[in-house]
Amino acid sequence: DQQVKQNSPSLSVQEGRISILNCDYTNSMFDYFLWYKKYPAEGPTFLISISSIKDKNEDGRFTVFLNKSAKHLSLHIVPSQPGDSAVYFCAASLQGAQKLVFGQGTRLTINP
Amino acid sequence: EPEVTQTPSHQVTQMGQEVILRCVPISNHLYFYWYRQILGQKVEFLVSFYNNEISEKSEIFDDQFSVERPDGSNFTLKIRSTKLEDSAMYFCASSILTGTNEKLFFGSGTQLSVL
Repeated sequence: DQQVKQNSPSLSVQEGRISILNCDYTNSMFDYFLWYKKYPAEGPTFLISISSIKDKNEDGRFTVFLNKSAKHLSLHIVPSQPGDSAVYFCAASLQGAQKLVFGQGTRLTINP
Repeated sequence: EPEVTQTPSHQVTQMGQEVILRCVPISNHLYFYWYRQILGQKVEFLVSFYNNEISEKSEIFDDQFSVERPDGSNFTLKIRSTKLEDSAMYFCASSILTGTNEKLFFGSGTQLSVL
C-alpha cells in the first residue's frame, strides 16, 4: 500500500533557510491532506492541513502547497529553526472515511 | 491544552499473552482511533470507534484485536494472543468530528514489545 509516499527519508537544512518537505499520493479521491510533526517518544502533532479545493494554506512559518494535477503536496518551513528538527508525516483522507493514510515520514534536521 | 493520555508507555509481554493498552481521549471528543507504527515503517490505521461501536477497521484489525470504551473516559485496545509481529508503537487518537477537514489528536503512544 503506497498511496501516500514521502520519498526523502531525511533532510538536513541550515538554520534560517527554507525547508521543503515533499509528499506524493496516488489516490485522486483523497480530498484532505495534513502534515504532522513527531518528536521522539511523543505522538504525532498536527501541524497544518489543506483541503483539495485549495492550492495553498499558510500558518505562520508553515505553508502547504497542493498540486492536484501532479498529486503532490509540499510543506515549506521558513525560516527553519532548530526546534523544527523532527520527523514530518504527510497524511491524507478520503471524504466520508475515518482513517488517515500516512506517508513514511521525513526526518528533518536543522543545523545551527 | 487538553491531551490524549496513554498508559503504559512501555509494555513487554510474552508471545501468546493478552495485552490491554489504555487511552484516555480528550474529554469532549466523540471519535476514537488506534494506529500503530512498526519500527521503521509507516503509521498505520487500525480501527475507529464512535457511539460505542467500531465504525471502520483495517485488514490488520483481525479477530485477535478488540476495542472497548468501558466507561465514560477510557478507550482500550486488547490483543488476545500476541504475536512477535505485533511489536510496535501503538497510538491512540481522538477527534471531535470525523471525516473531511478534521484533525486527529494523538497520544504519546505505548511501545509494545512481544518476546
